[in-house]
Amino acid sequence: DAKTTQPPSMDCAEGRAANLPCNHSTISGNEYVYWYRQIHSQGPQYIIHGLKNNETNEMASLIITEDRKSSTLILPHATLRDTAVYYCIVRVAGSGYALNFGKGTSLLVTP
Amino acid sequence: DGGITQSPKYLFRKEGQNVTLSCEQNLNHDAMYWYRQDPGQGLRLIYYSQIVNDFQKGDIAEGYSVSREKKESFPLTVTSAQKNPTAFYLCASSIRGLAGGTSTDTQYFGPGTRLTVL
Repeated sequence: DAKTTQPPSMDCAEGRAANLPCNHSTISGNEYVYWYRQIHSQGPQYIIHGLKNNETNEMASLIITEDRKSSTLILPHATLRDTAVYYCIVRVAGSGYALNFGKGTSLLVTP
Repeated sequence: DGGITQSPKYLFRKEGQNVTLSCEQNLNHDAMYWYRQDPGQGLRLIYYSQIVNDFQKGDIAEGYSVSREKKESFPLTVTSAQKNPTAFYLCASSIRGLAGGTSTDTQYFGPGTRLTVL
C-alpha cells in the first residue's frame, strides 16, 4: 500500500469547514483513498473512500486531485464532536488485509 | 441495532493468566479482524478471518490465538506467552475480505477492549 503523509495536528473553529490534507504521491492506479477517524478511547470510524472522483456522504466530502497524488477530507461544518485523530489510508480495494493506520492528523475543534 | 460489540470495555488480569476478549457482529459480514493499538501508535493486525473455520496470522500473532466457529463471533485469547499484553484491542469486520471490491472491503470497528495486565 502507498505511503501517506498528513500534518500531525490542526485546529478548526466550531461551525467552520475543516479541511484535512493528505499526500500520497506514490499511489498506484488501483489504490483507493480511505478516511477513518478515531475519537479518544473509541474504535476507528469509517468516514469515506474514493478512487479518482470526488465523493460526498452525510459525514464529509473527499476531494482527490486530478493526478491522484493528494486528497482533502472536508468536514463542512465542524462541531466539537468532530475532535478526533483522522487517518488517511491508501490501499488496493479487495486486498482483504490490514488497514495501515499511520499517525494521522489530530483535529481539535474549538468553541 | 446492527453493529460490532466487544466486551468487556475494560479488563484487568494478573500476569501469567490467559484472557479471552469477545467480538460479536450481527452485520452478516464474512471477514473479521483483530488489531492492537498501543498509546500514540497506529493499529497493528493480530489475526484475521475471511470465512468461518479459517483464519490467518497478521503481523503480530505471537502470544495470541483465535477461533472462528461461527460467522458472527471471533474471540481473541491473549495467552501468557504474550510479552506485553497491556493494550487497546480492536475488532473489525467487513462484508467480504479478499477480492471483495471497494464497498465490501470497508472495515467497520467495534468500541474496543482496554486490557491491563497487572
